[in-house]
Amino acid sequence: EAQLVESGGGVVRPGGSLRLSCAASGFTFDGYGMSWVRQAPGKGLEWVSGINWNGGSPGYADSVKGRFTISRDNAKNSLYLQMNSLRVEDTALYHCARVAFDAYYYMDVWGKGTSVTVSS
Amino acid sequence: QSALTQPRSVSGSPGQSVTISCTGTSSDVGGYNSVSWYQQHPGKAPKLMIYDVTKRPSGVPARFSGSKSGHTASLTISGLQAEDEADYYCCSYTGTYTWVFGGGTKLTVL
Repeated sequence: EAQLVESGGGVVRPGGSLRLSCAASGFTFDGYGMSWVRQAPGKGLEWVSGINWNGGSPGYADSVKGRFTISRDNAKNSLYLQMNSLRVEDTALYHCARVAFDAYYYMDVWGKGTSVTVSS
Repeated sequence: QSALTQPRSVSGSPGQSVTISCTGTSSDVGGYNSVSWYQQHPGKAPKLMIYDVTKRPSGVPARFSGSKSGHTASLTISGLQAEDEADYYCCSYTGTYTWVFGGGTKLTVL
């Protein structure tokens, strides 16, 4: 069974940095693209960043472009999100999701998320 | 990258049908047959219910169906059941490994 487990969340000051990780198991990691999606407390889902199977074609939401960097290590079956210059509005539960493809791309397996709080 | 537009809430009685709309633009919903729908119960991870506008993953009941017309996609749930009460989000692929979500719709089963 495909499984994703996020880690690395925590409390950080505005302007600080944090690196999130997502460990994948139960599927061939390098056969899929991956994505990060966040959910602020009491709010809806917001797509943050995506990356294809070999680390290319990274995409970012305008709200994080230039501050966040997505990467992956296929040898370690892991996805990462480096978050710099963090803002209060980045406070959220961060989910990683597997990107599947049929006719188009969609997110089919989700982790439970890791919590990030940006506060002074 | 503006969020897709969904109604804040919908409701229905057990056994009835409800439809949740998701309106975008030619850059997202109207431009790609790549709308997916997610169900999220409180405190849980989102669950894929529909992808590529109309396709259901294995294990998702046939009561859930999707459609699209122009810039608006829809999720219809027929034969409502108590366990369908949840938040529902639409999502559209927007090219080059980017996506946009809707604001979410809270479904109440009366």
